Amino acid sequence: QVQLQESGPGLVKTSQTLSLTCTVSGDSINSGGYYWSWIRQHPGKGLEWIGYVYYSGSTYYNPSLKSRVTMSVDTSKNQFSLKLSSVTAADTAVYYCAREAGHGEWGSWGQGTLVTVSS
Amino acid sequence: DIQMTQSPSSLSASVGDRVTITCQASQDISNFLNWYQQKPGKAPKLLIYDASILETGVPSRFSGTGSGTDFTFTISSLQPEDTATYYCQQFDNLPRTFGPGTKVDIK
Repeated sequence: QVQLQESGPGLVKTSQTLSLTCTVSGDSINSGGYYWSWIRQHPGKGLEWIGYVYYSGSTYYNPSLKSRVTMSVDTSKNQFSLKLSSVTAADTAVYYCAREAGHGEWGSWGQGTLVTVSS
Repeated sequence: DIQMTQSPSSLSASVGDRVTITCQASQDISNFLNWYQQKPGKAPKLLIYDASILETGVPSRFSGTGSGTDFTFTISSLQPEDTATYYCQQFDNLPRTFGPGTKVDIK
């Protein structure tokens, strides 16, 4: 059974870059067939899809964040990553990594990590 | 972007009640719709995909119907452990978008 685990700083300073990594176990990112996604949830709010990266490195980002987002994959470590630049307090959220399957569904999620942006 | 709306935003019902949530898309998304359950402090859990297919291991009291722009999610007999927020999500187009959620609790 696939498991995902987010890691990274829980506190990021305003205007800096938020960096998170998702480590995948129980499945190989290299096997293809899935899109490796980042989704966030502002405190007490709904869900926002940030984007995904494929094992080949191809990406799609939500246009609302596109100018600040970079996603990448490291198949040797079975990890994928999110970078969000020029963060503000509005980027404070729980960040989830998830695996998107063939029906556009996320059947496997990380537990989520709270990232707080503060000066 | 495809906008998703849900109603009601919250509801309170008794154990054993039938609960219905509606989800509407801003354009035709065929059956490209999924439903999730999220409990406080937890990641969302997939319940239904392709509008009506129950994810493996999900109790049969959960069901979904609909196509095009209008969708319905039903809990046939509400249980205490169903207290959660429920989200619909479209995957017809990028970016993926979610409904705002419906909070369900026990009366």
